[in-house]
Amino acid sequence: QVQLQESGPGLVKPSETLSLNCTVSGGSVNSGDYYWSWVRQPPGKGPVWLGYVSYTGSTKSNPSLKSRVFISVDRSMNQFSLRLTSMTAADTALYYCARVSRGTGTIYKDYFDSWGQGTLVTVSS
Amino acid sequence: SYELPQPPSVSVSPGQTATVTCSGDKLGDRYVSWYQQKPGQSPVVVIYQDNKRPSGIPERFSGSNSGSTATLTISGTQAMDEADYYCQACDTTTALVFGTGTKVTVL
Repeated sequence: QVQLQESGPGLVKPSETLSLNCTVSGGSVNSGDYYWSWVRQPPGKGPVWLGYVSYTGSTKSNPSLKSRVFISVDRSMNQFSLRLTSMTAADTALYYCARVSRGTGTIYKDYFDSWGQGTLVTVSS
Repeated sequence: SYELPQPPSVSVSPGQTATVTCSGDKLGDRYVSWYQQKPGQSPVVVIYQDNKRPSGIPERFSGSNSGSTATLTISGTQAMDEADYYCQACDTTTALVFGTGTKVTVL
């Protein structure tokens, strides 16, 4: 069974860039059946999809975050990463990495089938 | 952007049926998944592609989707089912969208 584990700093200063890694075990990022995704959840609120990367390195991100989100995959390390630039207090949240199962024949079948345990990121000076 | 409003809360007595709804424009033309999230835990998918149950999810969880409303039904609700539930659908622009969430309370 695939497992995902987030790693990175728990505290980021305003205007800085957040960098998180997700290590995948029990499965390979080198699969066309999945997207590798980042989701965040502000305290007391619902989850928000940030973006995903495929094994080829192609990406898609949430338009609400404009050009702040950068996601990449490292197939040799079986990891994928998130960079979120220009952090503000509004970016304080629990950040999850998650695997998206790709639907056959249509994007509308995509869903999250595995999640990491999440890592809390606080933005404060 | 595509939005998926849900009722903030649903209360149910043990053994009864809990119904959680999720609304969206032409939602029935898309596929909906449902996630259960207990306090301090990561979300877990309980229904995917409208009505499919992952292995290990009890049969009391079922889903349907038609018109502009998707529904998660928990039959014979147990105390362990008390959690937040989020629907999720896909959109051509935002790709993966979550609903606003419903807190299910088992009284």
